[in-house]
Amino acid sequence: KQEVTQIPAALSVPEGENLVLNCSFTDSAIYNLQWFRQDPGKGLTSLLLIQSSQREQTSGRLNASLDKSSGRSTLYIAASQPGDSATYLCAVLNSGGSNYKLTFGKGTLLTVNP
Amino acid sequence: NAGVTQTPKFRVLKTGQSMTLLCAQDMNHEYMYWYRQDPGMGLRLIHYSVGEGTTAKGEVPDGYNVSRLKKQNFLLGLESAAPSQTSVYFCASSYSAGGIDTQYFGPGTRLTVL
Repeated sequence: KQEVTQIPAALSVPEGENLVLNCSFTDSAIYNLQWFRQDPGKGLTSLLLIQSSQREQTSGRLNASLDKSSGRSTLYIAASQPGDSATYLCAVLNSGGSNYKLTFGKGTLLTVNP
Repeated sequence: NAGVTQTPKFRVLKTGQSMTLLCAQDMNHEYMYWYRQDPGMGLRLIHYSVGEGTTAKGEVPDGYNVSRLKKQNFLLGLESAAPSQTSVYFCASSYSAGGIDTQYFGPGTRLTVL
């Protein structure tokens, strides 16, 4: 059974700091890994999707890497802003028995202080 | 485009009552999903559908039924609500499940069962 772990559970940083969120997964037979953002009381918004054959994806100040063999991904946020405050969720899409299952981590709650 | 919409946004039920949650998407997506999000548990897949007229069980299907009579709609039913079904329910949709497409999420329905 796939398990996804996110560390840290919560992170508080001053505005302008660069930061890294970590995600690890137990089963490397994945189709892709995705990072989502969730604002309080809202749904999830996809930030980056890395296919299993890729090593990283970038969007603006966000960069996500994937090391499938070691079961790890990182989300790097450059020059953090208060508007980046949210919960960040990592999810992996499993191949194999069920092609349609996204397994989510419990998230990292990020607070960027002005 | 409205994307993925969910009705209602909030609902309070008494134990044993029934209700139906409606999810609608206007992106012509084949795949649709129902998740529940609980504190400390992350998001878990309840049921999903790979096309009109088809449904399949996810990770936590007990106590729920679903129907996909029209491609754009995915209904989640609770026949006899229990306090353990108090949760935030999210619907999502995607064009495919092959690894290159992300899932688009609705804003959620907050359900309380007393």
